[in-house]
Amino acid sequence: DAMVIQNPRYQVTQFGKPVTLSCSQTLNHNVMYWYQQKSSQAPKLLFHYYDKDFNNEADTPDNFQSRRPNTSFCFLDIRSPGLGDAAMYLCATSATGTSYEQFFGPGTRLTVL
Amino acid sequence: AQSVTQPDIHITVSEGASLELRCNYSYGATPYLFWYVQSPGQGLQLLLKYFSGDTLVQGIKGFEAEFKRSQSSFNLRKPSVHWSDAAEYFCAVGPRGSQGNLIFGKGTKLSVKP
Repeated sequence: DAMVIQNPRYQVTQFGKPVTLSCSQTLNHNVMYWYQQKSSQAPKLLFHYYDKDFNNEADTPDNFQSRRPNTSFCFLDIRSPGLGDAAMYLCATSATGTSYEQFFGPGTRLTVL
Repeated sequence: AQSVTQPDIHITVSEGASLELRCNYSYGATPYLFWYVQSPGQGLQLLLKYFSGDTLVQGIKGFEAEFKRSQSSFNLRKPSVHWSDAAEYFCAVGPRGSQGNLIFGKGTKLSVKP
């Protein structure tokens, strides 16, 4: 089945230690998104790729970076995680010219010690 | 400003009872409208969406939603709730006809009593 895959599902890192979260998709969608979702809150868009074009939300901290080496993969890099960065990170994809529906992965739960 | 309001933070219903989750939006023009469901520790799954046409849309798992332009609302309903429906429900809006960002409401947590 076509899907959005996120690895790892659970990630523990130390305060200030860089961490990378991974997302891959078999849907061949050209748009990929990264959301941050803190406990009992709505998902908050960090940035998205429209094909190779990177679009950063204005209030996304510089501590968060992203890479998209090809259509299928997208990475979220947190350069120096703080305690406030502990959250669920959701990857989503969509395809232009279609239903505009976003398909979500299962998420990566990040814990910062 | 664009926003989505889900006025109920937490709702508890008995199994077999009907359900209505409220969603109101503020947007420059009629947006695309979505309802997503999130089980604990999981990603979001699309329940249904409204783009145009019939204002009553059917979704998966027996859910439906009605778009009311005059009230800027898109309420989610289910005639008979099952215990497995316990989850968090998010209403979202997106710009019509483009690959823009979704704006989510804060969610409504649904608990189901046996």
